[in-house]
Amino acid sequence: SAVISQKPSRDICQRGTSLTIQCQVDSQVTMMFWYRQQPGQSLTLIATANQGSEATYESGFVIDKFPISRPNLTFSTLTVSNMSPEDSSIYLCSARDEKLFFGSGTQLSVL
Amino acid sequence: SQQGEEDPQALSIQEGENATMNCSYKTSINNLQWYRQNSGRGLVHLILIRSNEREKHSGRLRVTLDTSKKSSSLLITASRAADTASYFCATDAWNRDDKIIFGKGTRLHILP
Repeated sequence: SAVISQKPSRDICQRGTSLTIQCQVDSQVTMMFWYRQQPGQSLTLIATANQGSEATYESGFVIDKFPISRPNLTFSTLTVSNMSPEDSSIYLCSARDEKLFFGSGTQLSVL
Repeated sequence: SQQGEEDPQALSIQEGENATMNCSYKTSINNLQWYRQNSGRGLVHLILIRSNEREKHSGRLRVTLDTSKKSSSLLITASRAADTASYFCATDAWNRDDKIIFGKGTRLHILP
């Protein structure tokens, strides 16, 4: 099973700024996923990050707002751009074989 | 869009009692998985049941799957305080580009 290190674990940011979240996997994985979890809610898939190609975004999420990098098979970043208070959420990266492995999450608060 | 719907949304039981959570889904699946989340942190995989299986056990966990009703249940026996968490079902389908979709979750609280 893969171990995923995610950072930062939490941050408080000002409106209009951007935050980049990093995830490092201890083994090579083909697919990584980024989820958002708003307070008291379930997980919503933002995008699928594949190495060597652009990320595939789900309905309601766009690259300009959530640019994703996947430079190799063990690393990915998600940037939350031009933040507003509505972006306050937990952001989770994950990788899968048959099941999903998760990072510990980034709790983002936007003032 | 969400695939799974858990019920109840919240459940409080006494320590030592059994906790049962249910999940319903909408489309055909390859497998169904249950995850636990403590205090809004990363999710931990608990158990996976394939579409051709009807029941599976892991320690104090028992999962059932009824594909005709598109539903699953998670039973936690002899609950402990450490079982307090949110529990999510998630479905995996062959025609969904390897995406796993989560239900809304059940918040379980074990009372001492």
